[in-house]
Amino acid sequence: EVQLVESGGGLVKPGGSLRLSCAASGFTFSEHGINWVRQAPGKGLEWVSGVSSGSKFIYYGDSVKGRFTISRDNARNLVFLQMNSLRVDDTAVYYCARDGPTNDFIDYWGQGTLVTVSS
Amino acid sequence: SYVLTQPPSVSVAPGKTARITCGGDNIGSESVHWFQQKPGQAPLLVIHFDGDRPSGIPERFSGSNSGNTATLTISGVEPGDEADYYCQVWDSSTDQYVFGSGTGVTVL
Repeated sequence: EVQLVESGGGLVKPGGSLRLSCAASGFTFSEHGINWVRQAPGKGLEWVSGVSSGSKFIYYGDSVKGRFTISRDNARNLVFLQMNSLRVDDTAVYYCARDGPTNDFIDYWGQGTLVTVSS
Repeated sequence: SYVLTQPPSVSVAPGKTARITCGGDNIGSESVHWFQQKPGQAPLLVIHFDGDRPSGIPERFSGSNSGNTATLTISGVEPGDEADYYCQVWDSSTDQYVFGSGTGVTVL
């Protein structure tokens, strides 16, 4: 069974930093790209960032470029999202989500971790 | 960047058919994927590659894609189908996933 478990969310002040983790199991981790997708309270889904299976390709959404950094550790089946210079409008549930086999759609999602940016 | 447009809400009586549209410039040339999200839950893939159902998704869910509109169709709607539905494409011109704004389906 594919499992994606996020951790690291919490309350942080504007301008602060936070590091999210995603622990994967139930599939061959090194064969799939992984993404972070967020959802602000009462709002829709917004793709944040993605990393290819071997970390060769890394992508960012326009709203986080230059502030967030995605990375992965295939030896430990982990993906990270380092979030710096956080803003109030970064407040959201952050989901870890797996690329399907063709790397152009998402097929599995974790349950999400809440990040609250507030003074 | 590529924009996907969905109606905010759709209402349907039990047993009837719900159609949720996703508009985009020449979207028929893209692969469209659909997610269902119930309150407090993570999204669930219900349709991929325009009209294919992942394992475990009921046959009541189907999809089509042509011209400037992709459509998710739910036949014989059940109360448990009440949820938000999102379309998604991969925008190869910007190397970004794009989601539609979401459609809330209400079962009357």
